[in-house]
Amino acid sequence: QKEVEQNSGPLSVPEGAIASLNCTYSDRGSQSFFWYRQYSGKSPELIMSIYSNGDKEDGRFTAQLNKASQYVSLLIRDSQPSDSATYLCAVNSGGYQKVTFGTGTKLQVIP
Amino acid sequence: KAGVTQTPRYLIKTRGQQVTLSCSPISGHRSVSWYQQTPGQGLQFLFEYFSETQRNKGNFPGRFSGRQFSNSRSEMNVSTLELGDSALYLCASSIGPNNEKLFFGSGTQLSVL
Repeated sequence: QKEVEQNSGPLSVPEGAIASLNCTYSDRGSQSFFWYRQYSGKSPELIMSIYSNGDKEDGRFTAQLNKASQYVSLLIRDSQPSDSATYLCAVNSGGYQKVTFGTGTKLQVIP
Repeated sequence: KAGVTQTPRYLIKTRGQQVTLSCSPISGHRSVSWYQQTPGQGLQFLFEYFSETQRNKGNFPGRFSGRQFSNSRSEMNVSTLELGDSALYLCASSIGPNNEKLFFGSGTQLSVL
């Protein structure tokens, strides 16, 4: 079983719709959770971090964490073509800085 | 504030050679992590350094090694290169020792022929 699992996609949504990206992780001791966005040919950039159960909102982005279900999600409201990218779920499962990434979900926003 | 700087940007090597990649973290960042990214495997954790100490290591053979200097700059070395080592190698820095956000460099694209 992979430590961090994501559906590879592509996930296609029309412009203006809500995109929902999901991630599960295997280590119950995981403490911090991140979403990174990676455009083609570019390096990953952090867009959201979440540390406790519940929702965290930042502009059009909402991260949701459910530690009991070992589940993290990212909602993108009012999706724009510029949101088209690969979204990487990342989990820090140790006390030290060992961040494990999922393989990413490719999002396509159709104009 | 300058971002994470990785050099060189591109490298072409042949099997059996060795290579050294360099990473300068964001000023004030003390943790440096290295990742290998390939289309099939995604981002794979190589190792992490904090204050010149390797604290975590991923599942890679001993041909992959690294170090961190007192100014937080880091180098990664791969010896006896294999074709499968062709990948994008990404360095990321973070401020502190635990659970911190990662800031990535542009990466070094290594091609092994």
